[in-house]
Amino acid sequence: GDSVTQMEGPVTLSEEAFLTINCTYTATGYPSLFWYVQYPGEGLQLLLKATKADDKGSNKGFEATYRKETTSFHLEKGSVQVSDSAVYFCALSGSGGYQKVTFGTGTKLQVIP
Amino acid sequence: EADIYQTPRYLVIGTGKKITLECSQTMGHDKMYWYQQDPGMELHLIHYSYGVNSTEKGDLSSESTVSRIRTEHFPLTLESARPSHTSQYLCASSEWSGTGSYEQYFGPGTRLTVT
Repeated sequence: GDSVTQMEGPVTLSEEAFLTINCTYTATGYPSLFWYVQYPGEGLQLLLKATKADDKGSNKGFEATYRKETTSFHLEKGSVQVSDSAVYFCALSGSGGYQKVTFGTGTKLQVIP
Repeated sequence: EADIYQTPRYLVIGTGKKITLECSQTMGHDKMYWYQQDPGMELHLIHYSYGVNSTEKGDLSSESTVSRIRTEHFPLTLESARPSHTSQYLCASSEWSGTGSYEQYFGPGTRLTVT
């Protein structure tokens, strides 16, 4: 079945540091790929997405490129801020009957001033 | 903008009580979901619905039940709460994005504590 593997956290960075959170996936066919963010005490919010190979999703300075050859969708940001502290989930949506979304286990990011 | 609501946001209740967690969305989405999120952050799908009068169990076995009598409303019920039910419960709905994917929209969650 479909699965998503993302790097374990927590990740602690200083403000303005470069961020990479690794995500790889296993799926049949051509899934859509997502990054969701969860701020403390809230639900998940869609951060960015990519629906086909070589697509780049971007939002709020975050980027991720759909790499089919390496089955990866790594999240990057050039300069993190304290306000980016949150939990980040990589996810995929396959072509299943009810459009099931498979989530990774989440990576907690803490940015310190 | 996504509008999906959950009440209550926080609930502390004693063992054996019956509880209902409410979830409503104003976007007219057919598909809705309930997830249980453990303290380690991992999400587990416990129920989903394709539309009115359609409900299915998810990947994680749960003693809760759901109903879908109206498109906008997807409540989750525990007939007899136990401490093992203590968790964060997230409701979501989804629609076709028009660009090749279904996107899920999440409510703020209900944090349930059973004492």
